[in-house]
Amino acid sequence: QVHLVQSGAEVKKPGASVKVSCKASGFTFTSYAMHWVRQAPGQRLEWMGWINAGNGDTKSSQKFQGRVTITRDTSASTAYMELSSLRFEDTAVYYCAREVSNSWRDWGQGTLVTVSS
Amino acid sequence: QSALTQPPSVSGSPGQSVTISCTGTSSDVGSYNRVSWYQQPPGTAPKLMIYEVSNRPSGVPDRFSGSKSGNTASLTISGLQAEDEADYYCSSYISGSTFVFGTGTKVTVL
Repeated sequence: QVHLVQSGAEVKKPGASVKVSCKASGFTFTSYAMHWVRQAPGQRLEWMGWINAGNGDTKSSQKFQGRVTITRDTSASTAYMELSSLRFEDTAVYYCAREVSNSWRDWGQGTLVTVSS
Repeated sequence: QSALTQPPSVSGSPGQSVTISCTGTSSDVGSYNRVSWYQQPPGTAPKLMIYEVSNRPSGVPDRFSGSKSGNTASLTISGLQAEDEADYYCSSYISGSTFVFGTGTKVTVL
C-alpha cells in the first residue's frame, strides 16, 4: 500500500525559507517522479515542480524558478521541497504526489505553511 | 503559463448528469493526451478520478468519464450522487516537462 507522509505544519517569517519532506513507502521510490503542488486558502491547486527520484533531474514552474529547490534522499525514500524568500502569499497547504501515467495517483496529507510576521 | 479555464460552478439534482469543461490551448490540452481530473472535498487532499483523458483508476465509479475535443477536455458525472459534491480540477501536461491545473469547478448536488 502506497503511503506518502509529509512533515508537520510550519510558521515562518517573510524572507525565511521552509523545507517540507515527503516520506514514501509501499513502492520503489527511485522508479517514479515526485511532484509538489500547493493550494493557498480558498484558491486553486498550483503545480510547483517535480523530481525524477531515480536520477535526480528536476523541473519547476516558471513562477517559482529561483525560489524552489526539489531534492530527494533515495536511502530514506524521501522527497523534499524547499521554498525560499517566503512572502505572505506563500501561505498554503503544500502537497507531494507520486506520478503514475502522467497523473498524480497518490498524495501526501498536505503540510500547512503559514508566513506571518 | 496561465491556468486552464473551468466554469466556477455546476449543479444538478441526484441522478442527473453534469459536465465540467476544461479549456486550454494548442500548447497544452490540444497537443497532449495527458489530461487528468481530480476530486477534492473540502479540507482533503485531491483524489485522481481520470487520467490520460479518459481512463479511470481502479476504484473510481464508472459514473465518471472523460473526453477531449480540440483544446477542451470534459469530465462527465452521470447519475449524480450527494457524495459527488466537491471541487474538481483538471490538469494538463505542457511542453518542457511542466504541468498546469485548471481554475477549479465546484459541483453542487441540489
